[in-house]
Amino acid sequence: GENVEQHPSTLSVQEGDSAVIKCTYSDSASNYFPWYKQELGKGPQLIIDIRSNVGEKKDQRIAVTLNKTAKHFSLHITETQPEDSAVYFCAATTTYGNNRLAFGKGNQVVVIP
Amino acid sequence: NAGVTQTPKFRILKIGQSMTLQCAQDMNHNYMYWYRQDPGMGLKLIYYSVGAGITDKGEVPNGYNVSRSTTEDFPLRLELAAPSQTSVYFCASSYHDRSDGYTFGSGTRLTVV
Repeated sequence: GENVEQHPSTLSVQEGDSAVIKCTYSDSASNYFPWYKQELGKGPQLIIDIRSNVGEKKDQRIAVTLNKTAKHFSLHITETQPEDSAVYFCAATTTYGNNRLAFGKGNQVVVIP
Repeated sequence: NAGVTQTPKFRILKIGQSMTLQCAQDMNHNYMYWYRQDPGMGLKLIYYSVGAGITDKGEVPNGYNVSRSTTEDFPLRLELAAPSQTSVYFCASSYHDRSDGYTFGSGTRLTVV
């Protein structure tokens, strides 16, 4: 089955700096890669996603890049703000089976004011 | 739309007790999922359903049961609670043939003592 790994497990950045979280996946058939943000006491919320036919996608201060050859994708947050502090999960799915997502273990991002 | 609604938000059980975690969605999603989240361990799939009347096991189904009598509801049943089931439980839903990612509920924090 799909194996998704995230690095680093914890990331601290100064407010205004950029943060980058990288995920690797194992299933070459994976075709959809979402990122979720989980704030304290809440459920994960989809913040950005990318499909396998696209190399990069941006939405204001966040972007996701995908390298299918190397089987990794990354979340980029620019001009970080204190409200960006959260746990971020990456996930990957495939065309096989039934639209299930395999999640990474999550990254704790701390933005220092 | 309320999205995915989970009840209760918090619960303390004694070992051996049983309970049902409720999950309802109003987005007409075919697929529904139950995950548990343990500290530092990410999200583990317990059970999922591809439509009313159809359920299947995920990665960690032991000690749990589910039913899906309607499209909207997907309750999770714990028959004999054990301390190992202390966790935060998330319900999620998605469309069938679109890789839109999941919509999560706000979670149920369960403690078994």
